[in-house]
Amino acid sequence: DAGITQSPRYKITETGRQVTLMCHQTWSHSYMFWYRQDLGHGLRLIYYSAAADITDKGEVPDGYVVSRSKTENFPLTLESATRSQTSVYFCASSEDRNTEAFFGQGTRLTVV
Amino acid sequence: QQQVKQSPQSLIVQKGGISIINCAYENTAFDYFPWYQQFPGKGPALLIAIRPDVSEKKEGRFTISFNKSAKQFSLHIMDSQPGDSATYFCAASSGGYNKLIFGAGTRLAVHP
Repeated sequence: DAGITQSPRYKITETGRQVTLMCHQTWSHSYMFWYRQDLGHGLRLIYYSAAADITDKGEVPDGYVVSRSKTENFPLTLESATRSQTSVYFCASSEDRNTEAFFGQGTRLTVV
Repeated sequence: QQQVKQSPQSLIVQKGGISIINCAYENTAFDYFPWYQQFPGKGPALLIAIRPDVSEKKEGRFTISFNKSAKQFSLHIMDSQPGDSATYFCAASSGGYNKLIFGAGTRLAVHP
């Protein structure tokens, strides 16, 4: 199916564990993004990527790592999960700057 | 540091009424101002967007008004319908990577 998909949709993990959230898009969009959504904060940018092998930090990158070896994939890794990283995570992609960003369905992550 | 301030946090409107959501920004380098609509359990989806070279953009029942000198922009939903009940986010971006900075969101409820 065409589009942007995230997996898993729901994840519960323990404090200190490493967890990876997956994001896959089928449009070959150049730009990809990871946001976290928390009540009262809207969506905050964690990391973004302008192309394969080009990534950079957003507003709230601490505790997260990304990679982009292929254009279509942009995984987000929490190296050592903390309770403050409990959130809903959204991946997005866009074809070019100042164009529509398409969001995935989100991953609800709970760190206990 | 909240670069895009959105108000109100929540809004209740009667069916057929006008819904108005306001946003203010600080960074004069912003050059793209989209509004996203999000339904529960879904990712945000682009509703309408404007660039600073125009003062108003209308698409169906949705209108963005943009005031560059005041650094403010707003979303007007005419003839509001129960199906418009959702959370609305304003956003802004600048530069070459389409890094969207979001407001905190407005939860709109349209009562029949």
